[in-house]
Amino acid sequence: GAVVSQHPSRVICKSGTSVKIECRSLDFQATTMFWYRQFPKKSLMLMATSNEGSKATYEQGVEKDKFLINHASLTLSTLTVTSAHPEDSSFYICSARRLAGEVNEQFFGPGTRLTVL
Amino acid sequence: AQSVTQPDIHITVSEGASLELRCNYSYGATPYLFWYVQSPGQGLQLLLKYFSGDTLVQGIKGFEAEFKRSQSSFNLRKPSVHWSDAAEYFCAVGGAGNNRKLIWGLGTSLAVNP
Repeated sequence: GAVVSQHPSRVICKSGTSVKIECRSLDFQATTMFWYRQFPKKSLMLMATSNEGSKATYEQGVEKDKFLINHASLTLSTLTVTSAHPEDSSFYICSARRLAGEVNEQFFGPGTRLTVL
Repeated sequence: AQSVTQPDIHITVSEGASLELRCNYSYGATPYLFWYVQSPGQGLQLLLKYFSGDTLVQGIKGFEAEFKRSQSSFNLRKPSVHWSDAAEYFCAVGGAGNNRKLIWGLGTSLAVNP
């Protein structure tokens, strides 16, 4: 149990376009989902915390209008990178915290590789 | 300040050798500690976690870690490394209740020589 999927796994887009990444908890309900960004050879950078039915909480320095997060249900959160630029190219990873799970344990998706040309 | 330090950026071991990856943390509340592994281009897989109880925890793939409160450490160990263990390893610390963010170390890259 506790499987998290992400779609797409890899996306290439042109500069100026928007890209949506989906994060789904497949076999559990997630009260909270987290979006991370990972640069090559670097640790994970938390971008935002998303709670179902409420606005996401963004970390300092993360533009909320650029990285739109929607957590419409207990099993789905989406991250939309708006007007993407080459510097947005990165590996984006989501995680989900189980509704009735142990405290603070997060289950991670496989990640989405975004390349902006 | 809350932080996680993984002092070794890169480690190379021979297959069959023992392994210890270091993790030190600074956290104001009772820490919940995690080790994750990431293979190239992949997401993160939980190796093991410590919430309470026995300070020596067993994880998947033959890994174990020991929580030492006096040293603020949570080092990861494996008695005999396999070539498939080559990956990036991340230590993380979090808290209970509303403290749901994880604080991450920068990771240790493990290479395994045949």
